[in-house]
Formats: sequence, structure tokens, C-alpha cells
Amino acid sequence: DADVTQTPRNRITKTGKRIMLECSQTKGHDRMYWYRQDPGLGLRLIYYSFDVKDINKGEISDGYSVSRQAQAKFSLSLESAIPNQTALYFCATSDAGSLTFGAGSRLTVL
Amino acid sequence: TQLLEQSPQFLSIQEGENLTVYCNSSSVFSSLQWYRQEPGEGPVLLVTVVTGGEVKKLKRLTFQFGDARKDSSLHITAAQPGDTGLYLCAGERMRFGAGTRLTVKP
Repeated sequence: DADVTQTPRNRITKTGKRIMLECSQTKGHDRMYWYRQDPGLGLRLIYYSFDVKDINKGEISDGYSVSRQAQAKFSLSLESAIPNQTALYFCATSDAGSLTFGAGSRLTVL
Repeated sequence: TQLLEQSPQFLSIQEGENLTVYCNSSSVFSSLQWYRQEPGEGPVLLVTVVTGGEVKKLKRLTFQFGDARKDSSLHITAAQPGDTGLYLCAGERMRFGAGTRLTVKP
């Protein structure tokens, strides 16, 4: 099994729908992150969490929310999806060192 | 916000050529990381540099951290098709540059 598992891997939805992307990890790391990736823009940080009771906004948090349900689980929600949220989303974990990424969730909002 | 600028944005070369890609900032970093991302996968850490002037080698890849710790370079010797991918640098607070997309043609 992968160290960081993201579900779903692919999702197509319509404008206005609520979407949740889930992430679980087996690394035992306290820190978890959500990024989005768009062509030419690299990885931009949406939210991050340093432990179960800690949630922090990243560079582009508007339109997104997160929940840290347990040390191993960190979910990203789009309350009302819009087309410009079409992107590749990555979850990552760290132990204050380097990042370990999941394989990504490709979201298309029509 | 510590902005990281990577150049070039795209690079297409023939197998066997050498290349260098750059990661620059106006800010000083205590450490900097390089990742490689292949299609359909998440980025994977290549190296972390910490000391100004530091040089690290990973097979045909040579990473250098600038003396002032504001910039870094990645040099690949005798590139191979398997080196194809998106090369990303990241500074503190886990912020990334936009990346260099490298294509090595056989």
C-alpha cells in the first residue's frame, strides 16, 4: 500500500456541487498538506495541519475547507465547486523534513 | 512570502547532453529541496540542501546551494530519457516554484 493514499483519483462534477477529496497516510507523520497544481503554476498550498487540532490557511484557501479527522486523515472540501477549481490536487505529509506526496486527485468541474 | 523562480520553464534536449536548471529567490533560505515529478505521480524528493555553498551529488545529478542561500542549481550530466519530468524546488513553509519541465529525447 502507498504511504499516502488519495481518493478519488479522478472526479468529474458540475458547478455548484459539494466535493470532498480524502487523504490518508501510514507514515505516522503529524504534518499534512493539500496542494493544487495547475500547468505553469507549480504547486500552490491550500491548507496545512501540524496536528489534529491545528488547521492553517495556505496561499489559496478561498473556496476550500479542510478537516483533520485523525492524525492519519486529512480531507479537502469544495463547498460549491466552480470551473476554475479544475486542477490536480495533491495531499502530502511530512515530519518537519521533506514532503511525501500522494498520487494526486484530478478534479474537473464542468 | 518567499517567492521561488525557476528557469527555464521548459527544456527539451537530446540524450547525452548536459543541462542546468535554476531556482532563484530574493529571500534567504535555511534549506531548499528539489523534487522530480513524473506524469501521473506526485513529486518525489531528490535532495535537501542546507549549507551555503553546499554541493550534493546523486548519480548524474549535481545540486548546488548558493553561498548566500538565495539560489540553487541542478546540473544533469549526460541526460537520459528517464530524466524526463518536472523538476520543482521548494523552500521553507513548503512553498514551491513553478518548475522546469524537462524532456530528454532518445
